Amino acid sequence: AQKITQTQPGMFVQEKEAVTLDCTYDTSDPSYGLFWYKQPSSGEMIFLIYQGSYDQQNATEGRYSLNFQKARKSANLVISASQLGDSAMYFCAMREENNAGNMLTFGGGTRLMVKP
Amino acid sequence: DTAVSQTPKYLVTQMGNDKSIKCEQNLGHDTMYWYKQDSKKFLKIMFSYNNKELIINETVPNRFSPKSPDKAHLNLHINSLELGDSAVYFCASSQGASGLYEQYFGPGTRLTVT
Repeated sequence: AQKITQTQPGMFVQEKEAVTLDCTYDTSDPSYGLFWYKQPSSGEMIFLIYQGSYDQQNATEGRYSLNFQKARKSANLVISASQLGDSAMYFCAMREENNAGNMLTFGGGTRLMVKP
Repeated sequence: DTAVSQTPKYLVTQMGNDKSIKCEQNLGHDTMYWYKQDSKKFLKIMFSYNNKELIINETVPNRFSPKSPDKAHLNLHINSLELGDSAVYFCASSQGASGLYEQYFGPGTRLTVT
């Protein structure tokens, strides 16, 4: 079974609007972390935001916020006030603390395209 | 200064050759990783390594081997290259071998096997 599922292969958003990128996960480990990375067309992987399974509040980093719904096992990324430079692939990832090596498991990604 | 660097950025080689990709991090991190991103953009862990333990993803062929001369370096050696090895390879590092720390990625190495 997929551990990380991103159901939106591609999305469009109008510049200056907010957009939500979906991510659901599957784990039986009580302690885990959820990460979002951005990959622009230049190819590098840029860390955006992190949410721990025991965190009481949703994580926020500037225009990025994570809508963490633990019971539903979802960790959606919300980008407010979209900019043209937000056009990129976005990857949701999970690390389970009991997973040997603490390796990240990635979802299939969502390609976001911001329209002017 | 670049936190995680990889060389080369591009690598084109023929089937059957042996090649290496170098990775260096200057963050003082304890754990380094190698990931493979295929043509469909799917990212998959290959190895996790700190100075005590190497964890290998069971799906990785034994033609791939990580080698770490010191804590700041984790190089990837690939023997007998195959067409299916063509991908972008990312090195990453994180603080500590346990705990939930974010990983910092290198710029990637695009490997093309002809």
